[in-house]
Amino acid sequence: AQSVTQPDIHITVSEGASLELRCNYSYGATPYLFWYVQSPGQGLQLLLKYFSGDTLVQGIKGFEAEFKRSQSSFNLRKPSVHWSDAAEYFCAVAPSSGTASKLTFGTGTRLQVTL
Amino acid sequence: GAGVSQSPRYKVAKRGQDVALRCDPISGHVSLFWYQQALGQGPEFLTYFQNEAQLDKSGLPSDRFFAERPEGSVSTLKIQRTQQEDSAVYLCASSPGLAGFYNEQFFGPGTRLTVL
Repeated sequence: AQSVTQPDIHITVSEGASLELRCNYSYGATPYLFWYVQSPGQGLQLLLKYFSGDTLVQGIKGFEAEFKRSQSSFNLRKPSVHWSDAAEYFCAVAPSSGTASKLTFGTGTRLQVTL
Repeated sequence: GAGVSQSPRYKVAKRGQDVALRCDPISGHVSLFWYQQALGQGPEFLTYFQNEAQLDKSGLPSDRFFAERPEGSVSTLKIQRTQQEDSAVYLCASSPGLAGFYNEQFFGPGTRLTVL
């Protein structure tokens, strides 16, 4: 069965510092890969997605992620974190077939930003 | 509305009560998903509709959970005889369902259910 692992439950970074959130997946074939952000009281917002092609994908709010097939990883990065980035971040996968597929999420990483 | 809306936003139920959670998807969206998010966990898939057809209900945890979308728009998730373990945030998502493309899911703010 497919699974997503986010090994870091909680990360604290200083504003302006760089950020990397880890995500590993277990899947029969390369799935579609996603990063979502969830702020308190808000719905999940899609940051970026990987379907195929260039393994470095750019997203909104200055985030990027790199797909590494050999490591089954899809880590999220940001060069300089802003205080408003404090939120919960979820990595997710979906089968790479079909047009409407359920998402399988990791357990999330809570990001705290210190000023 | 512009996005997915859910009501109520908060629901407190006594154990054994029945509850109904509503989802209004983005107008015209074909696909609708329900997810359950327990405290400190990621969302977990419950069920999926394409128009009014429930194509996948593999994630429903028990027969106390029932979902419907009778006219292919608004959906209701019903939980009968609620238990404490049902306490969670219930998220609804909709997507356009365009053939030939993966369709992004747009999430609502969720309904936080607390069972006492």
